[in-house]
Amino acid sequence: GAVVSQHPSWVICKSGTSVKIECRSLDFQATTMFWYRQFPKQSLMLMATSNEGSKATYEQGVEKDKFLINHASLTLSTLTVTSAHPEDSSFYICSAPRILNTEAFFGQGTRLTVV
Amino acid sequence: GEDVEQSLFLSVREGDSSVINCTYTDSSSTYLYWYKQEPGAGLQLLTYIFSNMDMKQDQRLTVLLNKKDKHLSLRIADTQTGDSAIYFCAESPPGSTLTFGKGTMLLVSP
Repeated sequence: GAVVSQHPSWVICKSGTSVKIECRSLDFQATTMFWYRQFPKQSLMLMATSNEGSKATYEQGVEKDKFLINHASLTLSTLTVTSAHPEDSSFYICSAPRILNTEAFFGQGTRLTVV
Repeated sequence: GEDVEQSLFLSVREGDSSVINCTYTDSSSTYLYWYKQEPGAGLQLLTYIFSNMDMKQDQRLTVLLNKKDKHLSLRIADTQTGDSAIYFCAESPPGSTLTFGKGTMLLVSP
């Protein structure tokens, strides 16, 4: 079946550095991918919608200059957390719907820890 | 391992009630969630239930939890065409992240 691969699965970085997270659809093309964030003991929150070939759409309250999204091809979207701070420590997960939105597939998630 | 199962498709007529079922495997899950995904949009949290509850009602939505059978259901009363979407259930064991089902596509016909 279709798989969405997310990399890395966990990362520890120093404050002030940037971290890039990749989300790939392995056997289907995804013109749209979604990026979510989950704080401990809280539910998943949509951060932004990544659109192939155009700018991402950010949810209210999400800083687009801090969370850079690039969707350069039909199988790859990247989320870069710039100038990371400890409060950015969280679990980030992407998902990609199939065309016609009959199914949605989630990546394995990335646990980011900023120290 | 963890596995959340849902039926893939449900079709109802406008005005009827819809019931979407879900089974989960981790009995230590603290919260169980229902999400809605409309075409072209991201997940939207609909409702959640704490594991020590049997039922939660929120307007047209009723969540029933049977912990013994690890069965969760979402009932939508007076289903409207705008309710057509994919519905995901998810479990959240303590100290872990969400595990989603594959989603149930609800199709509401006039």
